[in-house]
Amino acid sequence: AQSVTQLDSQVPVFEEAPVELRCNYSSSVSVYLFWYVQYPNQGLQLLLKYLSGSTLVESINGFEAEFNKSQTSFHLRKPSVHISDTAEYFCAVSAPNTGFQKLVFGTGTRLLVSP
Amino acid sequence: EAGVTQFPSHSVIEKGQTVTLRCDPISGHDNLYWYRRVMGKEIKFLLHFVKESKQDESGMPNNRFLAERTGGTYSTLKVQPAELEDSGVYFCASSQDWGEEFFGPGTRLTVL
Repeated sequence: AQSVTQLDSQVPVFEEAPVELRCNYSSSVSVYLFWYVQYPNQGLQLLLKYLSGSTLVESINGFEAEFNKSQTSFHLRKPSVHISDTAEYFCAVSAPNTGFQKLVFGTGTRLLVSP
Repeated sequence: EAGVTQFPSHSVIEKGQTVTLRCDPISGHDNLYWYRRVMGKEIKFLLHFVKESKQDESGMPNNRFLAERTGGTYSTLKVQPAELEDSGVYFCASSQDWGEEFFGPGTRLTVL
């Protein structure tokens, strides 16, 4: 079985500062990795994903995440955050070789960006 | 193109009552998923349809929950009878391919 740990339930940061949201996973099989974002009063949106290939993946709004197999991590980073990045961020994994497509989520991290 | 829609957005019911949640996936998506987030906890998988067939229902908590997907289009999730611990946000998602799940806005269920 897979599991995901997001140790930080809340991360406060000032606008234009860098941020890192941590995600570690546990799995005995190879995984796909995802970051989803939920803005206030909205549904979940896929931010970025790692399926294969380059371990560094980027989103269109400046976020990036790096798959580190040895450390079983997929931390999300942004060099300079905006007020509009305030949201809850969820890390998730799925195990393609098991035949089951379900996502296993972490508990989420609330990013609070203040002026 | 319309996204995944869910109805209702909110539902408040009393313990012992029945509630039915509906999900309309993106047109053409064969895969439909239900997830649930109980307050403050992680989003948990409930089940996965491929067209009208249940591919994986390992996350369904008990037999008070019944999911259907008529004709491989929309899906319903019925909770009967509802208990207090069923409160939470129920998300539906759909996909055509693996790694491309699109989520709906969720239904917030409150059981009093």
